[in-house]
Amino acid sequence: QSALTQPRSVSGSPGQSVTISCTGSSSDVGFYNYVSWYQHHPGKAPKLMIYEVTKRPSGVPDRFSGSKSGNTASLTISGLQAEDEADYYCCSYAGTYRVFGTGTKVTVL
Amino acid sequence: VLLQESGPGLVKPSETLSLTCTVSGGPITSFYWSWIRQPAGKGLEWIGLMYFSGTTNYNPSLKSRVTMSVDTSKKQFSLKLSSVTAADTAVYYCARADYMGRAFDSWGQGTLVTVSS
Repeated sequence: QSALTQPRSVSGSPGQSVTISCTGSSSDVGFYNYVSWYQHHPGKAPKLMIYEVTKRPSGVPDRFSGSKSGNTASLTISGLQAEDEADYYCCSYAGTYRVFGTGTKVTVL
Repeated sequence: VLLQESGPGLVKPSETLSLTCTVSGGPITSFYWSWIRQPAGKGLEWIGLMYFSGTTNYNPSLKSRVTMSVDTSKKQFSLKLSSVTAADTAVYYCARADYMGRAFDSWGQGTLVTVSS
Protein backbone atom coordinates (compact mmCIF):
# COMPACT_ATOMS: atom_id res chain seq x y z
CA GLN A 1 0.00 0.00 0.00
CA SER A 2 2.67 2.50 -0.98
CA ALA A 3 1.74 6.09 -1.66
CA LEU A 4 1.03 6.94 -5.27
CA THR A 5 3.91 8.81 -6.94
CA GLN A 6 3.47 12.44 -7.93
CA PRO A 7 6.05 15.03 -9.02
CA ARG A 8 7.13 17.18 -6.12
CA SER A 9 6.35 20.41 -7.95
CA VAL A 10 5.17 21.87 -11.25
CA SER A 11 4.94 25.48 -12.31
CA GLY A 12 3.50 27.62 -15.06
CA SER A 13 2.69 31.17 -16.00
CA PRO A 14 -0.86 32.52 -15.90
CA GLY A 15 -2.83 31.23 -18.86
CA GLN A 16 -0.58 28.24 -19.43
CA SER A 17 -1.45 24.58 -18.83
CA VAL A 18 0.18 22.24 -16.35
CA THR A 19 -0.26 18.50 -15.93
CA ILE A 20 0.31 16.52 -12.76
CA SER A 21 0.91 12.78 -12.99
CA CYS A 22 -0.07 10.19 -10.41
CA THR A 23 1.52 6.76 -10.78
CA GLY A 24 0.28 3.73 -8.92
CA SER A 25 0.04 0.04 -9.69
CA SER A 26 -2.21 -2.56 -11.24
CA SER A 27 -3.81 -2.97 -7.80
CA ASP A 28 -5.07 0.58 -7.49
CA VAL A 29 -4.90 3.21 -10.26
CA GLY A 30 -4.58 0.62 -13.01
CA PHE A 31 -7.41 -1.58 -11.79
CA TYR A 32 -10.12 0.86 -10.69
CA ASN A 33 -11.58 3.92 -12.41
CA TYR A 34 -11.92 5.60 -9.04
CA VAL A 35 -9.12 8.15 -8.97
CA SER A 36 -9.91 11.48 -7.33
CA TRP A 37 -7.95 14.73 -7.09
CA TYR A 38 -7.86 17.26 -4.25
CA GLN A 39 -6.73 20.87 -4.09
CA HIS A 40 -5.26 21.87 -0.74
CA HIS A 41 -4.45 25.41 0.26
CA PRO A 42 -2.37 25.23 3.47
CA GLY A 43 -4.45 25.79 6.56
CA LYS A 44 -7.71 25.07 4.75
CA ALA A 45 -9.80 21.99 4.13
CA PRO A 46 -8.86 19.99 1.02
CA LYS A 47 -11.32 20.34 -1.86
CA LEU A 48 -12.47 17.61 -4.24
CA MET A 49 -11.67 18.67 -7.82
CA ILE A 50 -12.04 15.46 -9.84
CA TYR A 51 -13.65 12.08 -9.06
CA GLU A 52 -13.96 8.83 -10.99
CA VAL A 53 -10.90 9.86 -13.06
CA THR A 54 -12.65 12.48 -15.22
CA LYS A 55 -15.75 13.86 -13.47
CA ARG A 56 -15.94 17.35 -11.99
CA PRO A 57 -18.12 18.14 -8.97
CA SER A 58 -20.53 21.02 -9.34
CA GLY A 59 -18.74 24.34 -9.00
CA VAL A 60 -15.29 23.17 -10.11
CA PRO A 61 -14.14 25.14 -13.17
CA ASP A 62 -13.85 23.21 -16.43
CA ARG A 63 -10.20 24.31 -16.54
CA PHE A 64 -9.59 21.24 -14.40
CA SER A 65 -9.66 17.91 -16.19
CA GLY A 66 -8.60 14.36 -15.41
CA SER A 67 -7.49 11.34 -17.40
CA LYS A 68 -5.91 7.94 -16.95
CA SER A 69 -3.69 5.62 -18.94
CA GLY A 70 -2.62 2.30 -17.48
CA ASN A 71 -1.29 2.78 -13.96
CA THR A 72 -0.96 6.57 -14.30
CA ALA A 73 -3.65 9.17 -13.78
CA SER A 74 -3.23 12.83 -14.65
CA LEU A 75 -4.74 16.17 -13.67
CA THR A 76 -4.48 19.02 -16.15
CA ILE A 77 -5.09 22.64 -15.24
CA SER A 78 -5.68 24.75 -18.34
CA GLY A 79 -5.59 28.53 -18.32
CA LEU A 80 -3.66 28.61 -15.07
CA GLN A 81 -4.80 31.29 -12.61
CA ALA A 82 -3.17 32.73 -9.51
CA GLU A 83 -5.72 31.07 -7.23
CA ASP A 84 -4.73 27.65 -8.59
CA GLU A 85 -1.47 27.85 -6.65
CA ALA A 86 -1.85 25.08 -4.06
CA ASP A 87 -0.91 21.52 -3.24
CA TYR A 88 -2.67 18.80 -5.23
CA TYR A 89 -3.16 15.18 -4.20
CA CYS A 90 -4.46 12.22 -6.11
CA CYS A 91 -6.20 9.34 -4.36
CA SER A 92 -7.12 5.90 -5.59
CA TYR A 93 -9.73 3.41 -4.46
CA ALA A 94 -8.08 0.04 -3.92
CA GLY A 95 -10.83 -2.21 -2.69
CA THR A 96 -10.59 -2.38 1.08
CA TYR A 97 -8.31 0.64 1.36
CA ARG A 98 -7.59 4.01 -0.17
CA VAL A 99 -4.19 5.44 -1.03
CA PHE A 100 -3.15 9.05 -1.55
CA GLY A 101 -0.42 10.42 -3.75
CA THR A 102 2.72 12.08 -2.43
CA GLY A 103 1.42 15.51 -3.38
CA THR A 104 2.43 18.15 -5.93
CA LYS A 105 2.94 21.83 -5.30
CA VAL A 106 1.66 23.94 -8.18
CA THR A 107 3.32 27.33 -8.47
CA VAL A 108 1.95 30.10 -10.65
CA LEU A 109 4.91 32.14 -11.84
CA VAL B 1 -22.77 19.65 4.85
CA LEU B 2 -20.29 20.86 7.48
CA LEU B 3 -17.84 18.71 9.40
CA GLN B 4 -16.06 19.78 12.59
CA GLU B 5 -13.30 17.85 14.34
CA SER B 6 -12.89 18.09 18.10
CA GLY B 7 -10.64 16.54 20.72
CA PRO B 8 -7.46 17.06 22.73
CA GLY B 9 -4.66 18.86 20.95
CA LEU B 10 -1.99 17.19 23.06
CA VAL B 11 -1.63 13.48 23.78
CA LYS B 12 1.13 11.74 25.71
CA PRO B 13 3.21 8.98 24.12
CA SER B 14 1.76 5.47 24.55
CA GLU B 15 -1.72 6.88 25.28
CA THR B 16 -4.80 6.84 23.06
CA LEU B 17 -5.70 9.68 20.70
CA SER B 18 -9.45 10.30 20.57
CA LEU B 19 -11.19 12.60 18.10
CA THR B 20 -14.82 13.24 17.22
CA CYS B 21 -16.30 14.63 14.03
CA THR B 22 -19.68 16.35 14.22
CA VAL B 23 -21.79 16.44 11.05
CA SER B 24 -24.21 19.30 10.43
CA GLY B 25 -26.27 20.52 7.50
CA GLY B 26 -26.83 17.04 6.15
CA PRO B 27 -27.54 13.43 7.16
CA ILE B 28 -25.02 11.03 8.62
CA THR B 29 -26.94 8.02 7.41
CA SER B 30 -26.45 6.60 3.91
CA PHE B 31 -22.90 7.95 3.67
CA TYR B 32 -19.38 6.75 4.28
CA TRP B 33 -17.15 8.67 6.71
CA SER B 34 -13.38 8.81 6.89
CA TRP B 35 -10.37 10.03 8.83
CA ILE B 36 -7.29 11.33 7.02
CA ARG B 37 -4.17 12.88 8.51
CA GLN B 38 -1.26 15.03 7.42
CA PRO B 39 2.00 15.19 9.37
CA ALA B 40 3.77 18.53 9.14
CA GLY B 41 5.56 18.91 5.83
CA LYS B 42 4.21 15.60 4.51
CA GLY B 43 1.36 14.36 2.39
CA LEU B 44 -2.11 13.09 3.19
CA GLU B 45 -2.48 9.64 4.72
CA TRP B 46 -5.76 7.73 4.74
CA ILE B 47 -6.55 6.28 8.17
CA GLY B 48 -9.88 4.54 7.75
CA LEU B 49 -13.40 4.49 6.37
CA MET B 50 -16.70 3.67 8.00
CA TYR B 51 -20.24 3.26 6.74
CA PHE B 52 -22.96 4.78 8.92
CA SER B 53 -24.03 1.24 9.84
CA GLY B 54 -20.64 0.62 11.46
CA THR B 55 -18.83 -1.38 8.77
CA THR B 56 -15.17 -0.34 8.72
CA ASN B 57 -12.03 -0.48 6.58
CA TYR B 58 -8.69 0.60 8.00
CA ASN B 59 -5.27 1.45 6.59
CA PRO B 60 -3.32 -1.83 6.91
CA SER B 61 -0.36 0.04 8.40
CA LEU B 62 -2.50 1.42 11.23
CA LYS B 63 -5.11 -1.31 11.53
CA SER B 64 -3.84 -2.77 14.81
CA ARG B 65 -4.18 0.61 16.56
CA VAL B 66 -7.29 2.16 14.96
CA THR B 67 -10.92 2.01 15.99
CA MET B 68 -13.67 4.04 14.33
CA SER B 69 -17.24 4.28 15.58
CA VAL B 70 -20.42 6.20 14.84
CA ASP B 71 -23.24 7.68 16.91
CA THR B 72 -26.05 8.43 14.47
CA SER B 73 -28.26 9.97 17.17
CA LYS B 74 -25.64 12.66 17.79
CA LYS B 75 -24.57 12.82 14.13
CA GLN B 76 -21.01 12.13 15.19
CA PHE B 77 -18.30 9.66 14.28
CA SER B 78 -15.09 9.04 16.17
CA LEU B 79 -11.49 7.93 15.86
CA LYS B 80 -9.37 6.21 18.45
CA LEU B 81 -5.68 5.60 17.80
CA SER B 82 -3.88 3.70 20.52
CA SER B 83 -0.24 3.54 21.60
CA VAL B 84 0.63 6.82 19.93
CA THR B 85 4.17 8.04 19.29
CA ALA B 86 5.62 11.28 17.97
CA ALA B 87 5.09 9.90 14.46
CA ASP B 88 1.35 10.25 14.98
CA THR B 89 1.65 14.03 15.37
CA ALA B 90 -0.38 15.46 12.52
CA VAL B 91 -3.37 17.49 11.43
CA TYR B 92 -6.31 15.11 11.48
CA TYR B 93 -9.19 15.63 9.05
CA CYS B 94 -12.60 14.05 9.01
CA ALA B 95 -14.29 13.71 5.64
CA ARG B 96 -17.47 12.46 4.01
CA ALA B 97 -17.08 9.91 1.26
CA ASP B 98 -19.40 9.09 -1.60
CA TYR B 99 -20.83 5.69 -2.49
CA MET B 100 -18.42 2.97 -1.47
CA GLY B 101 -15.97 5.62 -0.33
CA ARG B 102 -14.63 6.27 -3.80
CA ALA B 103 -14.00 10.00 -3.25
CA PHE B 104 -14.07 12.44 -0.34
CA ASP B 105 -16.49 15.23 -1.17
CA SER B 106 -16.62 17.21 2.07
CA TRP B 107 -13.86 17.81 4.60
CA GLY B 108 -13.50 19.35 8.04
CA GLN B 109 -11.00 22.13 8.66
CA GLY B 110 -8.68 19.75 10.46
CA THR B 111 -7.34 19.65 13.99
CA LEU B 112 -3.71 19.48 15.06
CA VAL B 113 -2.83 16.69 17.46
CA THR B 114 0.63 16.72 18.99
CA VAL B 115 2.07 13.68 20.70
CA SER B 116 4.46 14.80 23.39
CA SER B 117 5.16 14.27 27.06
